[in-house]
Amino acid sequence: GAVVSQHPSWVICKSGTSVKIECRSLDFQATTMFWYRQFPKQSLMLMATSNEGSKATYEQGVEKDKFLINHASLTLSTLTVTSAHPEDSSFYICSVNKASYGYTFGSGTRLTVV
Amino acid sequence: GENVEQHPSTLSVQEGDSAVIKCTYSDSASNYFPWYKQELGKRPQLIIDIRSNVGEKKDQRIAVTLNKTAKHFSLHITETQPEDSAVYFCAASPYNQGGKLIFGQGTELSVKP
Repeated sequence: GAVVSQHPSWVICKSGTSVKIECRSLDFQATTMFWYRQFPKQSLMLMATSNEGSKATYEQGVEKDKFLINHASLTLSTLTVTSAHPEDSSFYICSVNKASYGYTFGSGTRLTVV
Repeated sequence: GENVEQHPSTLSVQEGDSAVIKCTYSDSASNYFPWYKQELGKRPQLIIDIRSNVGEKKDQRIAVTLNKTAKHFSLHITETQPEDSAVYFCAASPYNQGGKLIFGQGTELSVKP
């Protein structure tokens, strides 16, 4: 399958600050990446589809101005949580879809906003 | 868009028994149905998947069945072991369209020794 690297694995930030999470596809060029959020004891909820060289496609109910996605290269997508609040504390995880190999997930980022 | 429903939310079985988890999906365009096992704080791990041109797939103690007409698919784990205890998620995707993967709500499986 694909090799996906996600950083950081955990981060603690103060309320009102911004946090950037990186997702890298290490062994193939990913024109599309997916960002999920998972609250404790809940499922993975798709937030947005990151498209290389163009705007991300956000799922209904996800604030695009709060969750900024940049996919400037075929190997890197970033998710920035702007003006973070405690309710944004969650597990964020990215995914890529490599033909014939299915979906591969990053290791996830545990965000805690205090 | 796609909607995936998963049942049950919790499942407790005795070691050696079988476990069955069921999912339904709504979008007839979905053609790829993976199952993931997730341990606390970790990424989902693919345990088996099935594509819409196949009705059943088996890998040792794990099997998945798909009924396209009824839009449901199921995970079967036989001879369960305590290490099978985890949260299991089904998902569906219109894979050929580079589509997004939508998850079910998850099932917390507990295998008691």
